[in-house]
Amino acid sequence: SQQGEEDPQALSIQEGENATMNCSYKTSINNLQWYRQNSGRGLVHLILIRSNEREKHSGRLRVTLDTSKKSSSLLITASRAADTASYFCATDRLGNAGNMLTFGGGTRLMVKP
Amino acid sequence: GAGVSQSPSNKVTEKGKDVELRCDPISGHTALYWYRQRLGQGLEFLIYFQGNSAPDKSGLPSDRFSAERTGESVSTLTIQRTQQEDSAVYLCASSGRGQGAYEQYFGPGTRLTVT
Repeated sequence: SQQGEEDPQALSIQEGENATMNCSYKTSINNLQWYRQNSGRGLVHLILIRSNEREKHSGRLRVTLDTSKKSSSLLITASRAADTASYFCATDRLGNAGNMLTFGGGTRLMVKP
Repeated sequence: GAGVSQSPSNKVTEKGKDVELRCDPISGHTALYWYRQRLGQGLEFLIYFQGNSAPDKSGLPSDRFSAERTGESVSTLTIQRTQQEDSAVYLCASSGRGQGAYEQYFGPGTRLTVT
């Protein structure tokens, strides 16, 4: 089963609005990452937050992590039509000897111009 | 190279045929991953190579699936006797050296269609 589960599965907003996507996971983690995917092809890394961090910013992206609730959120502010994509969270499990990530099912975001 | 490359970008094959998918990781990346993504779904882990260690094959769905990697370079994913349920995008990713938290760099994927 997937370690990370995104919520909602699909989100449609108007350009300029903020988009919030949530991710829940089951086991303890080293870090959590968010990726973006356009048109069902390769994923692009957006941001990484470590287990001892609570919030991180990168441009219009803001990620929070609550390890007590095993959840994370990705906020995209002032959305643009070009933000339309699928967004995935991925977790690197604590104690994992390698860099293996487990991906959630994704949130499909549509930003209407 | 500049990024992870995969070939072919698209492959249409008949049920029962074997297919071979190729991945060229970023030079110097020790870790290489294969994932499968069915239409509208998330990524399903298949196999993981780290340097010269034995690969983690725990995600391979059946013995029809196998993968090889030569050192820290090219990897091939082979699917024997393809079935229609094998139709998906197969994504390859690579990441940097050592333990810790490293982002994965993805290739554009190979879209496999089994007719």
